[in-house]
Amino acid sequence: EAGVAQSPRYKIIEKRQSVAFWCNPISGHATLYWYQQILGQGPKLLIQFQNNGVVDDSQLPKDRFSAERLKGVDSTLKIQPAKLEDSAVYLCASSVTPGNTEAFFGQGTRLTVV
Amino acid sequence: QKEVEQDPGPLSVPEGAIVSLNCTYSNSAFQYFMWYRQYSRKGPELLMYTYSSGNKEDGRFTAQVDKSSKYISLFIRDSQPSDSATYLCASRPRWTGGGNKLTFGTGTQLKVEL
Repeated sequence: EAGVAQSPRYKIIEKRQSVAFWCNPISGHATLYWYQQILGQGPKLLIQFQNNGVVDDSQLPKDRFSAERLKGVDSTLKIQPAKLEDSAVYLCASSVTPGNTEAFFGQGTRLTVV
Repeated sequence: QKEVEQDPGPLSVPEGAIVSLNCTYSNSAFQYFMWYRQYSRKGPELLMYTYSSGNKEDGRFTAQVDKSSKYISLFIRDSQPSDSATYLCASRPRWTGGGNKLTFGTGTQLKVEL
């Protein structure tokens, strides 16, 4: 079974630029999560999708972050404009259902904002 | 106060030692308690989870939850250099529909030395 795929692996941008990350979850997984992991901290949920609908975006900085999951499969997370404090690893995870205990994580995209 | 607190370490032990990793939590609604292992530059992978209080054993790993004291533990017996990683505890309430956010601790960095 293929795992959660994310790209790019690494990205360096200047502040105020925009950036987008892509995630392809495990086939058949209805629930998709985007987490932000700042160095030395645990992952923090940014947004959760159930199929192509948003079920939790309470911690998403909506003035600069946006995410979509068209057709209920792949997802993109965008930051525009980026700030220095956005430097982090952005992790995508998926699970069969929201109630399913096991969420599988991708390797993440490491973003550095300079 | 963070909902899940974890000593960041680092923790260094000799090969073969018994390792004890601990977290505390403050949210009484938490019912599921997970331990994730994260190797450097990789995404977290689920080691094991416990529902409510009690113990769960899987090979060299034992997870314990004491809901009366809001204390979560992971024990690793006969530790190996390959166990060197960051260990993240995470918790969430029972799913009742809608979002299903995992709340992570900061992670404890473990190094098992030869």
